[in-house]
Order: sequence, then C-alpha cells, then structure tokens
Amino acid sequence: GDSVTQMEGPVTLSEEAFLTINCTYTATGYPSLFWYVQYPGEGLQLLLKATKADDKGSNKGFEATYRKETTSFHLEKGSVQVSDSAVYFCALTPGTGSQGNLIFGKGTKLSVKP
Amino acid sequence: KAGVTQTPRYLIKTRGQQVTLSCSPISGHRSVSWYQQTPGQGLQFLFEYFSETQRNKGNFPGRFSGRQFSNSRSEMNVSTLELGDSALYLCASSLSSSGGAYEQYFGPGTRLTVT
Repeated sequence: GDSVTQMEGPVTLSEEAFLTINCTYTATGYPSLFWYVQYPGEGLQLLLKATKADDKGSNKGFEATYRKETTSFHLEKGSVQVSDSAVYFCALTPGTGSQGNLIFGKGTKLSVKP
Repeated sequence: KAGVTQTPRYLIKTRGQQVTLSCSPISGHRSVSWYQQTPGQGLQFLFEYFSETQRNKGNFPGRFSGRQFSNSRSEMNVSTLELGDSALYLCASSLSSSGGAYEQYFGPGTRLTVT
C-alpha cells in the first residue's frame, strides 16, 4: 500500500541554520503531497502542499518540491528560527478514486536553539 | 471563519467503558476525517465521512465507529475501551473528499486516557 518515510529525529539546529527534512513516498497513481506541522499541545497545521510532479510548495520560508523521479518531497528552510521548533509530518493523499485520507510519515521533531 | 472544533479536549475513561467524541467542521465543509495519534503508531486514519456517508475506512477494529449528521458535524465512538486506545484523536474537515484537491484542516484534538 501507499506509504511515507521521513527521516528520524530529533533534529537539533542553531538559529539561522539551514534545515532539510527528508521525505520519500511509495504510491500508485499520482498522489498529492503535504507537509504538516504540529506545535506542542496543538493539532496539525498545513504548512505546504504540491499536487503534481515538479510543483514547488512554499510557505513561511519553507519549501518542498514534488520529485516524481526520486519519489521525494524534502522540506527545506534557509534560516530556521526558535519559533520553528515543532514536529513536522510529511503526508500524501492517494491519487486514485475519491480517497481523501492522509497517509503520514512518523514525524520529525525539530528543536531550534538560540 | 471559525476553525474545526473538537469536544471534549480531554477525557479519562476506564477500561471497558465507551466514549463519544465530537467534531464540528469549518462552516461549509462537508467532509470530516478522523485520525488517531499515538507515540508508537504515529498518525493513523480511522474513517472519513462525506454527506453523512462513510466514504473510506482505515484498519481499525469494529469497536471504532462514527457518524455524520446533516449539518456535517461528526461523532466517533469507541466501545469497550482498551488501554491501547489512549491517544490523541484528531478530526479534520475539508470542502470535499476528492483526494488532495481539497486541503484538510485539523482541530486541536481530544486527548483520551484509558485507565
């Protein structure tokens, strides 16, 4: 079945460092890809998305490009801030039928130190 | 526009009891999905409802059930609670259920503890 694999955490960075969180997927058809963020004690917030190959999603300085040839959707940010500390989830929705369910990776906890 | 609301936010139950969780979607959203989040299994899809019909179901036992009302509000029920049901239950709503075409917006979750 469809699945998402993302790098294990936790990831600890200093403020203004470059961030990469790797995400690869396995899916039939043409899935849509997402990054969600979860701050402590809160639900999930959509960070960015891409719905077809070569699309780049971006938001709040974060970017990710839908790479069909490598089945990847890596999250990047050029300069992280302390406020970016959270758990980041890569996810997909299957590309077939009317299945609206999200399939998530295990999550990567990011801690940014001042 | 108000976001997705879930009630209650916290719940403590005893093994063998049953529990009902409620979710009110964003106004105008017709699709509601439920997810279970645990440290061990991560985020897992429970089921999705659209226009009062269950459209999709995850791999959970029949003790987990749900329904959707005509105003799109949804409830999920867990009967005969087990310790392993302790989790954060998240509800998400979207305009429709057509895959990634419509974004899912999540509520803050209900934290269920089974003792």
